[in-house]
Amino acid sequence: KQEVTQIPAALSVPEGENLVLNCSFTDSAIYNLQWFRQDPGKGLTSLLLIQSSQREQTSGRLNASLDKSSGRSTLYIAASQPGDSATYLCAVGTGNQFYFGTGTSLTVIP
Amino acid sequence: GAVVSQHPSWVICKSGTSVKIECRSLDFQATTMFWYRQFPKQSLMLMATSNEGSKATYEQGVEKDKFLINHASLTLSTLTVTSAHPEDSSFYICSAKDRTISGANVLTFGAGSRLTVL
Repeated sequence: KQEVTQIPAALSVPEGENLVLNCSFTDSAIYNLQWFRQDPGKGLTSLLLIQSSQREQTSGRLNASLDKSSGRSTLYIAASQPGDSATYLCAVGTGNQFYFGTGTSLTVIP
Repeated sequence: GAVVSQHPSWVICKSGTSVKIECRSLDFQATTMFWYRQFPKQSLMLMATSNEGSKATYEQGVEKDKFLINHASLTLSTLTVTSAHPEDSSFYICSAKDRTISGANVLTFGAGSRLTVL
């Protein structure tokens, strides 16, 4: 069974810093990997989707990379803002299922 | 873009009553919908996979008789928590797969429903 781990569990940074969130998975046979944002008490907002054949995807200040062979993905956030404060979840797509990591709770301090 | 609507967004009920949560794909047809449960400060746990016109497939440890799932049409799946108890209090989120997008396995998530059982 696929296991997804996210490190760190929590991260606090001053505004303007660049930061990296990590996601690792145990089975490299994946279809895709998706990064989500979740605000407290809210649902999930999709940020970036990387297909298994891709190495990275970019959207604005966000860049996600995928290294299937090593079972790793990173989410890079440039010039962080207080509005980026949320929990970030990675999800690995295998077949018809998604396996979620435990999330990284990000706080950007003004 | 694809939108999934979940209703109600929050509900409070008395112990022993049943609660129904709806998940609708608004601008696409979804042959498959997924129901997740999220405990405080934890990640999402897949409860069941709902396929239009057939019985849902439940994950190990999820009680079928407790969590009834009906996927009556290509745009609607419902989750009914029967005889709810306080331990059923949780955040329930659905997601839907667009049937027109093959191979991409892209899911769109609803905003979630917070259930509190008194």
